[in-house]
Amino acid sequence: GESVGLHLPTLSVQEGDNSIINCAYSNSASDYFIWYKQESGKGPQFIIDIRSNMDKRQGQRVTVLLNKTVKHLSLQIAATQPGDSAVYFCAENTGPGGDKLIFGTGTRLQVFP
Amino acid sequence: GAVVSQHPSRVICKSGTSVKIECRSLDFQATTMFWYRQFPKQSLMLMATSNEGSKATYEQGVEKDKFLINHASLTLSTLTVTSAHPEDSSFYICSAELGTGGYEQYFGPGTRLTVT
Repeated sequence: GESVGLHLPTLSVQEGDNSIINCAYSNSASDYFIWYKQESGKGPQFIIDIRSNMDKRQGQRVTVLLNKTVKHLSLQIAATQPGDSAVYFCAENTGPGGDKLIFGTGTRLQVFP
Repeated sequence: GAVVSQHPSRVICKSGTSVKIECRSLDFQATTMFWYRQFPKQSLMLMATSNEGSKATYEQGVEKDKFLINHASLTLSTLTVTSAHPEDSSFYICSAELGTGGYEQYFGPGTRLTVT
């Protein structure tokens, strides 16, 4: 049956500030990581990805940092805008030969003026 | 590019009936598609991996006879929820893999299923 809804961690930031969303992944063998943005009632939207042979990757206003030692991933959003308000999920690929993505629990980002 | 569509976007059905959800890759061919389920305020949970021309691979705890998956072409996978019950009400999302082993998955907009 349907589980009781969990309360997503929420990060509230002021418009224009930088946001940092964190994620702990589970499998030390994972070699590919992706951040997705999901707006209410929509499917996940790709933001940025990183492979395990890198520790940092930058996109437009976004940066992903990977710390394999502690199995930690972060997404930094510069100059956060109201349109950035959404739920953000990290996902890990379970390793060579496997295409399955395992999603993290998600963080709700709220941007206020 | 890499657009994935789902149909219908919303469906309401009566308990005991079956519902089919379509997932299409519009501008690329997808050997592999994935079906996820998402409850409110929760993360996406992988239900099954759908491979064109072969049987789907289901995750542990997902009933293959209840959630029938067919991947008859490189651009279409279908998920049929059989004998639906209210607890099957959820948001169902598909994704399609661009390339083979490339890990890049593109997601559809989701289908909201409500079983009354």
